[in-house]
Amino acid sequence: QQPVQSPQAVILREGEDAVINCSSSKALYSVHWYRQKHGEAPVFLMILLKGGEQKGHEKISASFNEKKQQSSLYLTASQLSYSGTYFCGTESYGQNFVFGPGTRLSVLP
Amino acid sequence: SQTIHQWPATLVQPVGSPLSLECTVEGTSNPNLYWYRQAAGRGLQLLFYSVGIGQISSEVPQNLSASRPQDRQFILSSKKLLLSDSGFYLCAWDMAAGSGNTQYFGPGTRLTVL
Repeated sequence: QQPVQSPQAVILREGEDAVINCSSSKALYSVHWYRQKHGEAPVFLMILLKGGEQKGHEKISASFNEKKQQSSLYLTASQLSYSGTYFCGTESYGQNFVFGPGTRLSVLP
Repeated sequence: SQTIHQWPATLVQPVGSPLSLECTVEGTSNPNLYWYRQAAGRGLQLLFYSVGIGQISSEVPQNLSASRPQDRQFILSSKKLLLSDSGFYLCAWDMAAGSGNTQYFGPGTRLTVL
């Protein structure tokens, strides 16, 4: 069963913040985040393996709430280079890895 | 380090023609291999995955097939292409053992069926 991502799309100005959510109806043991720029393959951003784990890279970070079966990706002070489609991927007990439908992020100057 | 290759990068084929897309991985042994398809502006649809040579699991019934003749080679084929087969085809790999394995994608093949 595919995780749900929200919002489906978001438009920002440079320097603004965004949050992308990923939730599942199944108990999760890992959440993966990817970014795909137009016309390119998805690129791995980070993986969260434990409930409550938070990770970050520069101004992009993520959290994983195991109890709520959800993860959030935080983009702070967005840059033009952040534009693209963000996918979460989840692993749950009894189900293989599955990607969410994606969230399209557009950062405008 | 590990590298994943796909070819061709782009392909234009007429309806009813055959298809063969190839994916190879370097720098690792016994990887899990995956074929995804992405229609324009859409998400990633898992088509096939393989945990070893000759072992193929299909996620979606269709006129495509996959084969894994060697440990690090994964091939996607069709005998007769349909218009609906157009899309961006992505091969990915991850480590076979354990959980929490990250999938790494190849550069993709953009297929247009006319």
